[in-house]
Amino acid sequence: QKEVEQNSGPLSVPEGAIASLNCTYSDRGSQSFFWYRQYSGKSPELIMSIYSNGDKEDGRFTAQLNKASQYVSLLIRDSQPSDSATYLCAVNRAGGSYIPTFGRGTSLIVHP
Amino acid sequence: GAGVSQSPSNKVTEKGKDVELRCDPISGHTALYWYRQSLGQGLEFLIYFQGNSAPDKSGLPSDRFSAERTGGSVSTLTIQRTQQEDSAVYLCASSLKYQETQYFGPGTRLLVL
Repeated sequence: QKEVEQNSGPLSVPEGAIASLNCTYSDRGSQSFFWYRQYSGKSPELIMSIYSNGDKEDGRFTAQLNKASQYVSLLIRDSQPSDSATYLCAVNRAGGSYIPTFGRGTSLIVHP
Repeated sequence: GAGVSQSPSNKVTEKGKDVELRCDPISGHTALYWYRQSLGQGLEFLIYFQGNSAPDKSGLPSDRFSAERTGGSVSTLTIQRTQQEDSAVYLCASSLKYQETQYFGPGTRLLVL
């Protein structure tokens, strides 16, 4: 059974700090990895996608992928109160029957 | 351009009634997905469409749930004989192609009394 695991949190960080969100997955055939942000009562919206091992940076966000260790992480630099949300990790498998797998999400609280 | 739209935004129904939820994907997006999210829970995959066909329906929770997509565009999720445990937010997403970034609609909040 394919699983995507995330610490539910909440993860509480002070404004201006680095928030580190982690996700592990069980399916070694996974090829595409996504981080979505979901504000309370809203729909998920894409933050980052990553397909290759290493780091991918976009503004204050950095996604890190390590396929050998089967984890993907999201770093948020200079955290702002507006970053407070639930962050969902999603994993896709290439080819075959497509069933996307989402983690349950990590709640992030950035306090002033 | 316009994003994914869903209707109704909220639906309150009585146990045993049938409901239809509609999703309008982003124009040109060939893949369409339905998810369910219960309060405080993660996303539960229900079904996806590639064009008008649904290659995998194994995520549908029971035979009371069905979905169709016509003209490679609008999709309808139907829940027959609703139960209280069907209460959740039903989210639709679309992507340009299979396995690419998904764009979510605002969801339909279903409450079964």
